Amino acid sequence: ETGVTQTPRHLVMGMTNKKSLKCEQHLGHNAMYWYKQSAKKPLELMFVYSLEERVENNSVPSRFSPECPNSSHLFLHLHTLQPEDSALYLCASSQGQGAKNIQYFGAGTRLSVL
Amino acid sequence: GDSVTQMEGPVTLSEEAFLTINCTYTATGYPSLFWYVQYPGEGLQLLLKATKADDKGSNKGFEATYRKETTSFHLEKGSVQVSDSAVYFCALSEGYGGATNKLIFGTGTLLAVQP
Repeated sequence: ETGVTQTPRHLVMGMTNKKSLKCEQHLGHNAMYWYKQSAKKPLELMFVYSLEERVENNSVPSRFSPECPNSSHLFLHLHTLQPEDSALYLCASSQGQGAKNIQYFGAGTRLSVL
Repeated sequence: GDSVTQMEGPVTLSEEAFLTINCTYTATGYPSLFWYVQYPGEGLQLLLKATKADDKGSNKGFEATYRKETTSFHLEKGSVQVSDSAVYFCALSEGYGGATNKLIFGTGTLLAVQP
């Protein structure tokens, strides 16, 4: 079983739909992250959770709503999205403090908003 | 703010050629530096890292040296293979307390290796 698992791998949704992305980590880590990867742009950090508390919201629109019910699971609830929200959404987890710790990434969810 | 600049791709090489992908950074503190690789249809995987000046990270034949004087962390490999074809991301990390850190990525460099 891989360390960080994301489901679904692909998602197509209309602008009025509500959907959720799921991330599960099997590494015993205590921090989890959501990133957005768009073509020809650097990865954008969206949210950071440490010990199930949100510690960073990087000016993300409210149509994206994260949830971290426990240290192993992270969700990203989506509603009323725009076509420019189409991207690859990556989840990551880490353990330990400071700049030296390594983030481990899932394979991502490819989201298309029609 | 902190930032990472990578050479733009794509980089196209023949098998067994020498690879260099340039990466420079701007940071106010003493960051750790990373190279991540993303194979088609997959997430990012850590390739190598260096946590202080003059450290050399290495893995799978790839190397990068943390050069504080030139604020650089260039990725090199002596002989690339077709299986090395992927997107390579340079990143820096400055911890901001607690159990988390913040990774700042470059835009990525696509490497295509031809047989």
